[in-house]
Amino acid sequence: DVKVTQSSRYLVKRTGEKVFLECVQDMDHENMFWYRQDPGLGLRLIYFSYDVKMKEKGDIPEGYSVSREKKERFSLILESASTNQTSMYLCASSHLGQGKEKLFFGSGTQLSVL
Amino acid sequence: AQTVTQSQPEMSVQEAETVTLSCTYDTSESDYYLFWYKQPPSRQMILVIRQEAYKQQNATENRFSVNFQKAAKSFSLKISDSQLGDAAMYFCGYSGAGSYQLTFGKGTKLSVIP
Repeated sequence: DVKVTQSSRYLVKRTGEKVFLECVQDMDHENMFWYRQDPGLGLRLIYFSYDVKMKEKGDIPEGYSVSREKKERFSLILESASTNQTSMYLCASSHLGQGKEKLFFGSGTQLSVL
Repeated sequence: AQTVTQSQPEMSVQEAETVTLSCTYDTSESDYYLFWYKQPPSRQMILVIRQEAYKQQNATENRFSVNFQKAAKSFSLKISDSQLGDAAMYFCGYSGAGSYQLTFGKGTKLSVIP
């Protein structure tokens, strides 16, 4: 069974901490994505990567960075966590290709910043 | 920029009945893809159905079908013979043919009444 695995289901951090959210996929997908999900706002794209060491900004990249050193792993980094970054974070992956490709999602990380 | 609008934040349906979820989008592109994703309480989003804009025929997947009206930029999801397991958040998504980015609507929460 194909999988996108997010390292934590729930995470509680303090304001100002550096936070790492990890995502691993076992499908040899080229594309990986980080979305943020908030009630009433739906899913918004933070960053995506279409190849190792490649990254592109999505709609809301401010306050975030990403790292993709290996094809199967895509990390989201909050350099200095703030309370407005409390949210559900969803990782996804897809095959090489644009537009038509189906996204495979992880189960999400609910991050609370206190 | 493309926008996706889901005008129904919440809907309910009786078990075994039919329900239609609405979605409209705004784009100047001629070649694109439309999606419906389901997010059950487990939080893992899964693809329900996909439509290629160049295809006039509406996509169907078992009890799920779409009504794609390209000129009106409308893409509704019909669920027939609703089951308790259909209760979830449903997100409409748009992706341009030459884009890696999938833009989502804000979602519709569907409840199924036994």
